[in-house]
Amino acid sequence: AQSVTQPDIHITVSEGASLELRCNYSYGATPYLFWYVQSPGQGLQLLLKYFSGDTLVQGIKGFEAEFKRSQSSFNLRKPSVHWSDAAEYFCAVAVATSGTYKYIFGTGTRLKVLA
Amino acid sequence: DSGVTQTPKHLITATGQRVTLRCSPRSGDLSVYWYQQSLDQGLQFLIQYYNGEERAKGNILERFSAQQFPDLHSELNLSSLELGDSALYFCASSRGDGADTQYFGPGTRLTVL
Repeated sequence: AQSVTQPDIHITVSEGASLELRCNYSYGATPYLFWYVQSPGQGLQLLLKYFSGDTLVQGIKGFEAEFKRSQSSFNLRKPSVHWSDAAEYFCAVAVATSGTYKYIFGTGTRLKVLA
Repeated sequence: DSGVTQTPKHLITATGQRVTLRCSPRSGDLSVYWYQQSLDQGLQFLIQYYNGEERAKGNILERFSAQQFPDLHSELNLSSLELGDSALYFCASSRGDGADTQYFGPGTRLTVL
């Protein structure tokens, strides 16, 4: 069955430190992969997506993610974290089903940033 | 602001009651998706509509139903409410019904007492 795993429920980093959030997926076909961010009390906002081509994708707010097919991973990175990055981050895969696509989300990683 | 609007923002009701959540997609988007987010279940896909027709179903209970109207807004109806239905309900929209970017609304927080 298709699934998305985010192994880290909580991550705490200091402001200015680098960040990597892990995401592994299970899907037999070519994956369409996404990272979303959810600030407290808000809806989800797309950070970046991978459909095809260059395996290193750039997103908004200085985030990037690298697709590694051999590892079934799509990890999110940021070289220097800002206090405003504190939020919950969701990885998702779009899977083909009955002529359309549906998203499967990971359980999320909550990021805390220390001043 | 994603361009997706949801009303109401908060809803408090009692067990056994029925409520309707409303979603207006971004201008030009034909697909509407409904999700339920709870602490124990995470973000769960419920159902998708594309241009008025149901396209995909996820973990939607039989007590729940949805529809998309000719003007493309959508409503999610929840009936015979139980305490466990308390959650954030998100609507998202996308241009087509492929693996398009989904734009999420701010959500409706439902509390069942």
